[in-house]
Amino acid sequence: KAGVTQTPRYLIKTRGQQVTLSCSPISGHRSVSWYQQTPGQGLQFLFEYFSETQRNKGNFPGRFSGRQFSNSRSEMNVSTLELGDSALYLCASSFSERKSTDTQYFGPGTRLTVL
Amino acid sequence: AQSVTQLDSHVSVSEGTPVLLRCNYSSSYSPSLFWYVQHPNKGLQLLLKYTSAATLVKGINGFEAEFKKSETSFHLTKPSAHMSDAAEYFCVVTASGGSYIPTFGRGTSLIVHP
Repeated sequence: KAGVTQTPRYLIKTRGQQVTLSCSPISGHRSVSWYQQTPGQGLQFLFEYFSETQRNKGNFPGRFSGRQFSNSRSEMNVSTLELGDSALYLCASSFSERKSTDTQYFGPGTRLTVL
Repeated sequence: AQSVTQLDSHVSVSEGTPVLLRCNYSSSYSPSLFWYVQHPNKGLQLLLKYTSAATLVKGINGFEAEFKKSETSFHLTKPSAHMSDAAEYFCVVTASGGSYIPTFGRGTSLIVHP
């Protein structure tokens, strides 16, 4: 089975621009979560989608948004980019509706640099 | 509410010696605990997880961890380090109640010397 894929792998943007990142989960997985990883804040939860519905949202401003399509693929969007948005954005998929025991399978991440 | 504390930001060992990465947690509900490993420029890979079954959990690549409720700990061990074990390790807690949002520790960087 193919793993979680994320595109693009690397991205350079300037302040004020917007960006869309894409995530394709493992086949059959219906839950997709997004995380931001930075040296200063570590790994922080952004949001989770299951069956096209956002189920949970982390403590991020409204500039961060996402969606999930009927094939479980997910996108996240960041508008009006700030320097502090530079980070590795990780997507993770899991099989079922969010349960505390679920294993999440992570993609390789998208490295976003904001200049 | 839940939290995770990884007690060491860096651990340095020689190849062939034991590895101990420490993790303490707190949770208002029955926790599930995970250890993930992240190699440079890669995503996170699950090493092992505890979900209220056996308290001693065996994972991939010779790693194991023991859930100790009285000490609220979930330390990761390996009898003999290999050069390929050099990576960042994350302890993660989720809970059976609440929103199931996982909480990640800040990570421990494992350095393995030849």
